[in-house]
Amino acid sequence: AQKVTQAQTEISVVEKEDVTLDCVYETRDTTYYLFWYKQPPSGELVFLIRRNSFDEQNEISGRYSWNFQKSTSSFNFTITASQVVDSAVYFCALSESNNDMRFGAGTRLTVKP
Amino acid sequence: NAGVMQNPRHLVRRRGQEARLRCSPMKGHSHVYWYRQLPEEGLKFMVYLQKENIIDESGMPKERFSAEFPKEGPSILRIQQVVRGDSAAYFCASSPIPPPTDEQYFGPGTRLTVT
Repeated sequence: AQKVTQAQTEISVVEKEDVTLDCVYETRDTTYYLFWYKQPPSGELVFLIRRNSFDEQNEISGRYSWNFQKSTSSFNFTITASQVVDSAVYFCALSESNNDMRFGAGTRLTVKP
Repeated sequence: NAGVMQNPRHLVRRRGQEARLRCSPMKGHSHVYWYRQLPEEGLKFMVYLQKENIIDESGMPKERFSAEFPKEGPSILRIQQVVRGDSAAYFCASSPIPPPTDEQYFGPGTRLTVT
């Protein structure tokens, strides 16, 4: 069963548009962690945010914001006023009590000038 | 404090050769994880190791792949008799404590190309 679902395979926006990347997860654990990573064309994984299951506070960091809702098992990521440099593949991931981090399939974001 | 280091960053092997990928965890981290990312896909868990022990290898292919994390030195992911389908990016991560943890740090990856 898919533990982390990123339903949007590809998104294309024009610079300065806002864009939201969806992430839905599945777990039976009460303690777990959620992450977002950015993978630019260079290939490395850039850590963006981590969230534990007990902290549902939304977070804003510059143009980035995250909406964690346990009621819908979602951890969505919004980029405000997108820029060309935001173009990348974005991965949502879940860490539970078992031994691995489960990644979604990723959403490829293209921001056009 | 250096991050997770992986080498080589790029590795080219011919079919049938062996590939050895190295991962040096962050200082003080005794838990290492290997992930594989096939082209255009997400990362898939392969194996979780603590010093000298394989804890979970449920994501490892049954044949040709092995991993170790010796008492001294880096963790090694070894692929014997490589085939074209092994071409992928292999990421290593480390953490100071067992999962679940919010402190899993990733290395830059090793890109393996099998010709």
